[in-house]
Amino acid sequence: GAVVSQHPSRVICKSGTSVKIECRSLDFQATTMFWYRQFPKQSLMLMATSNEGSKATYEQGVEKDKFLINHASLTLSTLTVTSAHPEDSSFYICSALDREGTEAFFGQGTRLTVV
Amino acid sequence: TQLLEQSPQFLSIQEGENLTVYCNSSSVFSSLQWYRQEPGEGPVLLVTVVTGGEVKKLKRLTFQFGDARKDSSLHITAAQPGDTGLYLCAGEDNYGQNFVFGPGTRLSVLP
Repeated sequence: GAVVSQHPSRVICKSGTSVKIECRSLDFQATTMFWYRQFPKQSLMLMATSNEGSKATYEQGVEKDKFLINHASLTLSTLTVTSAHPEDSSFYICSALDREGTEAFFGQGTRLTVV
Repeated sequence: TQLLEQSPQFLSIQEGENLTVYCNSSSVFSSLQWYRQEPGEGPVLLVTVVTGGEVKKLKRLTFQFGDARKDSSLHITAAQPGDTGLYLCAGEDNYGQNFVFGPGTRLSVLP
């Protein structure tokens, strides 16, 4: 089956710094990728939809200048958390949609801790 | 590293049939969630199980958490085409710090 690789799986950073999370589709091309955030004991929350070659579409309440998304190729989307604060600590997960737009495959997730 | 396996990976059945999807690990989880994702949409949380041996029912869906909290199953009775989708299990580690997602089971229910 299709594989989506997310890196890093865990990261600890200091307040004020920026962190980049990568989401790669390893064996298929993905024109659309989704970025989610999950708080403890809660469901996944869609942050933004990332489309290759165009600007990401952010969900209401998600700061686009804080959560920078770049989808420069058909196999890579990145989420950069800028000027991180402790309240940004969370679990971030991506998923990639196949070219038919019918199936989504999840990455392993990234646990971000801002200290 | 805690890992979750799901089986089967793919399942295609006729409307009206019953099916069971399994989520297994060698690790213990403090809780486990099941999600369903329809094509082109984000996943939707179906249930969270917390106690070993717990059974929860959601209409035609029955979820069970293993006694040792290492595995879970999802049973669907009289499947319908509307049940088609990706079923994901996700386990929360005992520190409440990390969620591990299984690779998913893709279910197709044919009319």
